[in-house]
Amino acid sequence: GDSVTQTEGQVTVSESKSLIINCTYSATSIGYPNLFWYVRYPGEGLQLLLKVITAGQKGSSRGFEATYNKEATSFHLQKASVQESDSAVYYCALSESSGSWQLIFGSGTQLTVMP
Amino acid sequence: EAGVTQSPRYAVLQEGQAVSFWCDPISGHDTLYWYQQPRDQGPQLLVYFRDEAVIDNSQLPSDRFSAVRPKGTNSTLKIQSAKQGDTATYLCASSGHYAEQFFGPGTRLTVL
Repeated sequence: GDSVTQTEGQVTVSESKSLIINCTYSATSIGYPNLFWYVRYPGEGLQLLLKVITAGQKGSSRGFEATYNKEATSFHLQKASVQESDSAVYYCALSESSGSWQLIFGSGTQLTVMP
Repeated sequence: EAGVTQSPRYAVLQEGQAVSFWCDPISGHDTLYWYQQPRDQGPQLLVYFRDEAVIDNSQLPSDRFSAVRPKGTNSTLKIQSAKQGDTATYLCASSGHYAEQFFGPGTRLTVL
C-alpha cells in the first residue's frame, strides 16, 4: 500500500543552524500524489505548513521549503536558519491527486531548537 | 472564523467501558474526517463523511467503533467496549470539497 517514511523520530538543532527533515514516500496505487508537511506546535492542533501538488515544484512557508522529487520519491523539509519557535512535531503526508484527498501520514519528527 | 472543535479533550476509561467523542466542523465544510493517532505515530484515517454519507469506513474496527454524522454537520465517534490498544489521540478534521483539511485539537483517550 501507499506509505510515508520519516526516518528521524527526533532532531535537535541549535538556533540559527540549518535543518533538514527527511521524508520519502511510496505511492504504488496513486500515480502522482499530492505532498504535504503538517506541523503541531506545543499545545496546538495539527496545521498545514505547506503543500505541493506538482512534481518538480517547491513549496515554501514560514521560511521552510520542500521540493517534490518524483524520481527520488522524496519531499524533504528544509530551513536555512531555525528559531526556537520552530520547535514542534513535523509530519509528512500524501494524498491522491483526485478523489478523496485522504491523507496518509508519516510517523512524525520532533524538532527541538536549542537557544 | 471558529475552527474545528472537539470534546472531551481527555478521557480515561477501564477496558470494556464505552466512550463517545464529539466533533463540530468548520461551518460550511462538507467533508469530515476521523483519525486515530497512537503515541509516537502519525494520524491514521478511520472514517470520513461527505455531508451525512459515509464515504470510506474501511479502516474503522466495525465490531466496536461506530461513527455518525446525521445532519451533515456535527459528528460522533463511539467506542462500544474499549481496549487498551485503543489508547490514542482521536482527531477530527474538516474540509471544503477536495480542499485543505483543518484539524481540531483532538481527544486524548487512555484505556487502563
